[in-house]
Amino acid sequence: QTVVTQEPSFSVSPGGTVTLTCGLSSGSVSTSFYPSWYQQTPGQAPRTLIYNTNTRSSGVPDRFSGSILGNKAALTITGAQADDESHYYCAMYVGSDSWVFGGGTKLTVL
Amino acid sequence: QVQLVQSGAEVKKPGASVKVSCQASGYIFTAYYIHWVRQAPGQGLEWMGWINPKSGGTSYAQRFQGRVTMTRDTSISTAFMEVSGVKSDDAAVYYCARDYKNSFEEWGQGTLVTVSS
Repeated sequence: QTVVTQEPSFSVSPGGTVTLTCGLSSGSVSTSFYPSWYQQTPGQAPRTLIYNTNTRSSGVPDRFSGSILGNKAALTITGAQADDESHYYCAMYVGSDSWVFGGGTKLTVL
Repeated sequence: QVQLVQSGAEVKKPGASVKVSCQASGYIFTAYYIHWVRQAPGQGLEWMGWINPKSGGTSYAQRFQGRVTMTRDTSISTAFMEVSGVKSDDAAVYYCARDYKNSFEEWGQGTLVTVSS
């Protein structure tokens, strides 16, 4: 059973830069896993930020970017704003027509 | 614009079945897979499976095989997800989401399922 790992929590100062990561229990993340990223605020449906590793979804500001850093997928937020305070989830295609979500990172902006 | 509109909240007794619908509009329903994702209270997102609306083919996460059934009705552009024999830990918000390039591109608003005797 593949496990996708994320930092449980992170904090960033307003205007600062933060990089959240998404790893695999079974090895290194590559573009073949099609990592994607989602933002969710309490009581709301998730919002898609990044798909296919580094493609921004429609309407997502360019201060959100996706990449592969080392052996993990990464979401970088540049110039963090107060309304970026949310939960962030990554998801990956793990083969055999299956996807797995990470446990999520709670980002605090303070 | 693309929209996925889900059915309303449900309250079920343990052992009952619950069926959630997801009506698509703004695009060709048969052109994109539909995923189902659930979120227990205070917990993260959990992928349950997908359905190919064109063929009706499905793929389920291992832990849901045998207990979850995904179907569709192309005449009304609607996907369905049924959980049989619900237990207390099936209490969650259930989301449908349209696939795009192996991601969950557009999301429904979610359907709250409560399990209570």
